[in-house]
Amino acid sequence: KQEVTQIPAALSVPEGENLVLNCSFTDSAIYNLQWFRQDPGKGLTSLLLIQSSQREQTSGRLNASLDKSSGRSTLYIAASQPGDSATYLCATVGDNDMRFGAGTRLTVKP
Amino acid sequence: GAGVSQTPSNKVTEKGKYVELRCDPISGHTALYWYRQSLGQGPEFLIYFQGTGAADDSGLPNDRFFAVRPEGSVSTLKIQRTERGDSAVYLCASSLQAGLGYGYTFGSGTRLTVV
Repeated sequence: KQEVTQIPAALSVPEGENLVLNCSFTDSAIYNLQWFRQDPGKGLTSLLLIQSSQREQTSGRLNASLDKSSGRSTLYIAASQPGDSATYLCATVGDNDMRFGAGTRLTVKP
Repeated sequence: GAGVSQTPSNKVTEKGKYVELRCDPISGHTALYWYRQSLGQGPEFLIYFQGTGAADDSGLPNDRFFAVRPEGSVSTLKIQRTERGDSAVYLCASSLQAGLGYGYTFGSGTRLTVV
């Protein structure tokens, strides 16, 4: 059974800092890996989807990398802003299901 | 529709009552998934449908939980004899097709509170 772990569980940074969120998974037989953002009391917003054949994806200030062989993905956020404060979830997509980590709760202080 | 729609957004029910949660997926998406998210945790898989059939219901916690998708579009998650431990956010997602690594689009969830 796939196990997905996210470190750190919580992170607080001053505005403007670059930061990295980590995601690790135990089973490398995945189709893709997806990063989501979740605001308090809200659903999941997809940020980036990296297919298994890809190494990274970029969208604006976000860059996600995938290393299947080592079972790791990172989400890099450049020049963080208070509006980036949210919980960030990574999820692996296997044959027929998606497995989530517990998330990293990010706070960006003005 | 443009996105995945879930209703109601909030539901408060008394212990022992029956509840139904509705999910309306993106038009044309054949795969539909139900997840449950407890406070401070990531979503946990409950069940998924490919078309009208439940392809995998291994995540349903017990026989009080049941889901249907009779016409291959809207799905209803049904919970009988609700317990306080059922309180959580129930998330629905749809995908173009199960398998092959298509991305999922999630709804905003239904927050269920059993008192």
